[in-house]
Amino acid sequence: DSGVTQTPKHLITATGQRVTLRCSPRSGDLSVYWYQQSLDQGLQFLIQYYNGEERAKGNILERFSAQQFPDLHSELNLSSLELGDSALYFCASRGKESWLTFGSGTRLTVV
Amino acid sequence: SQQGEEDPQALSIQEGENATMNCSYKTSINNLQWYRQNSGRGLVHLILIRSNEREKHSGRLRVTLDTSKKSSSLLITASRAADTASYFCATHQGAQKLVFGQGTRLTINP
Repeated sequence: DSGVTQTPKHLITATGQRVTLRCSPRSGDLSVYWYQQSLDQGLQFLIQYYNGEERAKGNILERFSAQQFPDLHSELNLSSLELGDSALYFCASRGKESWLTFGSGTRLTVV
Repeated sequence: SQQGEEDPQALSIQEGENATMNCSYKTSINNLQWYRQNSGRGLVHLILIRSNEREKHSGRLRVTLDTSKKSSSLLITASRAADTASYFCATHQGAQKLVFGQGTRLTINP
């Protein structure tokens, strides 16, 4: 157990729908990162928050949004889902060290 | 855009042999990190090497960094079946964004 909790583990939904992925960082970590990993692909950086504020943005689609709440948990909202959005979505948190601690991911399948 | 690129994309060796993976990156860095991912699982941090370091060891892992060539290598010695995984290098693009390469898929054959 890495200490980073992601829910749900699996999600199957239809095209056009909206889903919310949730992440609780390790206790004490203020930074939360979101990544997307498609089949046989590397990790694509989506967005990063630090203590509730957006700090960096990657190739995140306009249909996707995220936020970090005062209790430091984060949510990634994916709307108007397309087949190509099917992927593993990872959350990671970072404390004072320079490396990331990853959750076990949410596997999203859009049908 | 990807900052780091791993080479080879896939590597298959016999148990007990050494495995070497390479990573090239594009811009100047403060540190370079290596991660392991077992199939479908979250990434696990293995080792971090700072820009002023040339070599670092951790158990059976040895990482080298050549900032003049913008490249790093990860050596796993005396490989085991449990080392079968994908290995990624990562560097910061800007102060916050940690960008990963495409990864090397390592298979250890018994």
